Amino acid sequence: NAGVTQTPKFQVLKTGQSMTLQCAQDMNHEYMSWYRQDPGMGLRLIHYSVGAGITDQGEVPNGYNVSRSTTEDFPLRLLSAAPSQTSVYFCASSPDLGTEAFFGQGTRLTVV
Amino acid sequence: DAKTTQPTSMDCAEGRAANLPCNHSTISGNEYVYWYRQIHSQGPQYIIHGLKNNETNEMASLIITEDRKSSTLILPHATLRDTAVYYCIVRGTIQGAQKLVFGQGTRLTINP
Repeated sequence: NAGVTQTPKFQVLKTGQSMTLQCAQDMNHEYMSWYRQDPGMGLRLIHYSVGAGITDQGEVPNGYNVSRSTTEDFPLRLLSAAPSQTSVYFCASSPDLGTEAFFGQGTRLTVV
Repeated sequence: DAKTTQPTSMDCAEGRAANLPCNHSTISGNEYVYWYRQIHSQGPQYIIHGLKNNETNEMASLIITEDRKSSTLILPHATLRDTAVYYCIVRGTIQGAQKLVFGQGTRLTINP
């Protein structure tokens, strides 16, 4: 049982480049979310999804896009990377409200 | 979501009970208290959650005061592997989405 899988684990981008952070879960969970964690800080919600085809913005959505075409996958796109987006990104999923969320191991992104 | 207040750091001796407090004085009647922890820079790990009754599972116990304005997470026999940042989160269940609002957490250090 893989749980929540994030790829890549590490990435270095140049300012202005684009990329997609992948997140996949094999637990058939409806709810999926993306968070970022800056050094010494707690996690901040970027975008979330309550099911395939439904997404919404979290606390810090600017500079990021998401889509949810399948239950399993919830990719996060950076259209034009900026140094301020240097962070660790975590994806999470849960089967329903009021239940535990499962987190991936994170993607460490550096934008130079 | 109600805001939570936690001590920045705590120490505990190995083998002793670790008691981590959390204040959530603005909690609403339908909001659950969740606890997660983050070891090193791994993805957060769910520990326990509760609404008004005390809860216990294989990892920890959660004690919620009668007025629900504060709670305590108890790790009954702390080990070195329990060294982590512990997050107390209050989350409503009638919002149509799974949104965990993380604060800065408590950095718990278990000493040999």
